Amino acid sequence: QKEVEQNSGPLSVPEGAIASLNCTYSDRGSQSFFWYRQYSGKSPELIMSIYSNGDKEDGRFTAQLNKASQYVSLLIRDSQPSDSATYLCAVNPGGATNKLIFGTGTLLAVQP
Amino acid sequence: DGGITQSPKYLFRKEGQNVTLSCEQNLNHDAMYWYRQDPGQGLRLIYYSQIVNDFQKGDIAEGYSVSREKKESFPLTVTSAQKNPTAFYLCASRAQGGTEAFFGQGTRLTVV
Repeated sequence: QKEVEQNSGPLSVPEGAIASLNCTYSDRGSQSFFWYRQYSGKSPELIMSIYSNGDKEDGRFTAQLNKASQYVSLLIRDSQPSDSATYLCAVNPGGATNKLIFGTGTLLAVQP
Repeated sequence: DGGITQSPKYLFRKEGQNVTLSCEQNLNHDAMYWYRQDPGQGLRLIYYSQIVNDFQKGDIAEGYSVSREKKESFPLTVTSAQKNPTAFYLCASRAQGGTEAFFGQGTRLTVV
């Protein structure tokens, strides 16, 4: 089992719709969770961080964390063509290590 | 400007050569990371360092070496033992305590 798993997509949504991106992780002791957006040929940029169970909202983005189910998701409301990118889920596993493990990413395509 | 600087942006390596990728940060971050990204793939951890003069192997360390002589710098050497080095290399840094990581702009390495 991979440490961080994402559906590779592509996930295609129409402009204005809600895009839902999902991520599961294997280390139950994981403490920190992050969503990054990566445009083709560019480096990842941070979208959201979440540390406790529940929802965290920032503009059109909402991150949701459920530690019991080892599941973290990202919702993008009112999706725009400029949101088309690969979304990477990253997890800081538990323990003394300061590793940051990434999933393979989900390609999101927002259709005008 | 605070940030992470990777150089060069593009690098070409001949078969059998060692090459060194530079990563410098002025964010006063303790932890630094090197990732490799192949086309259509996620980020795989090569090496990471939590403190000066200390570093740990990631998932794909074979054929790579690093040093951490200064807090600001974490260079990566791709040795001739790395048989398939063509990839996009990303350096990141973060403060301790499970906070978010920030990335440099990446170095695209091609074997010619």
